[in-house]
Amino acid sequence: DGGITQSPKYLFRKEGQNVTLSCEQNLNHDAMYWYRQDPGQGLRLIYYSQIVNDFQKGDIAEGYSVSREKKESFPLTVTSAQKNPTAFYLCASRDRTNEKLFFGSGTQLSVL
Amino acid sequence: QKEVEQNSGPLSVPEGAIASLNCTYSDRGSQSFFWYRQYSGKSPELIMFIYSNGDKEDGRFTAQLNKASQYVSLLIRDSQPSDSATYLCAVVFWGGPNAGGTSYGKLTFGQGTILTVHP
Repeated sequence: DGGITQSPKYLFRKEGQNVTLSCEQNLNHDAMYWYRQDPGQGLRLIYYSQIVNDFQKGDIAEGYSVSREKKESFPLTVTSAQKNPTAFYLCASRDRTNEKLFFGSGTQLSVL
Repeated sequence: QKEVEQNSGPLSVPEGAIASLNCTYSDRGSQSFFWYRQYSGKSPELIMFIYSNGDKEDGRFTAQLNKASQYVSLLIRDSQPSDSATYLCAVVFWGGPNAGGTSYGKLTFGQGTILTVHP
């Protein structure tokens, strides 16, 4: 089955710790995105990548980092500089031919 | 000014009525527009996408786009309780008068409108 896989489903971070959220897709999509969603809020763009080895900051990139070494993978690291990381994180990839966005099932990150 | 803004909610309509959801966007370089539905604790799912001015219909859903006025709307006819969810408008920026290479392909969502359809 083609799709986007996010892991883990739930993640807990200790104070001062960096954590990495995984996002893998086998849809052969060029573009990938990371969004953060707080309770009762819309999706805010953290980082996005249009092609391998290139990525752009979104609207709330501070305290986060990404890499795009492979087309299939776009991991997100939540660094200790992100002081309020508790949120639902969604990864997505986009089909260039019809521009539809496909979402993973999300990772809920909480602070211990 | 927010790049993508949706009408404030929550919106409550009776079963069988028409629900109208609105979205405005600030950048004329935006060229692709999407409506997503999100149930609590789930990922968004695509309902409609529209690229050209005018109306696009799919079953009970109609998307309307007016690029001159920079708004896109979603109408849900014969609303059902199962339509109760958060509706998200999304806009893709491809370029335009203020195009910047670093913004190419940026996909921005509005804050969402909570819709409740009561029996």
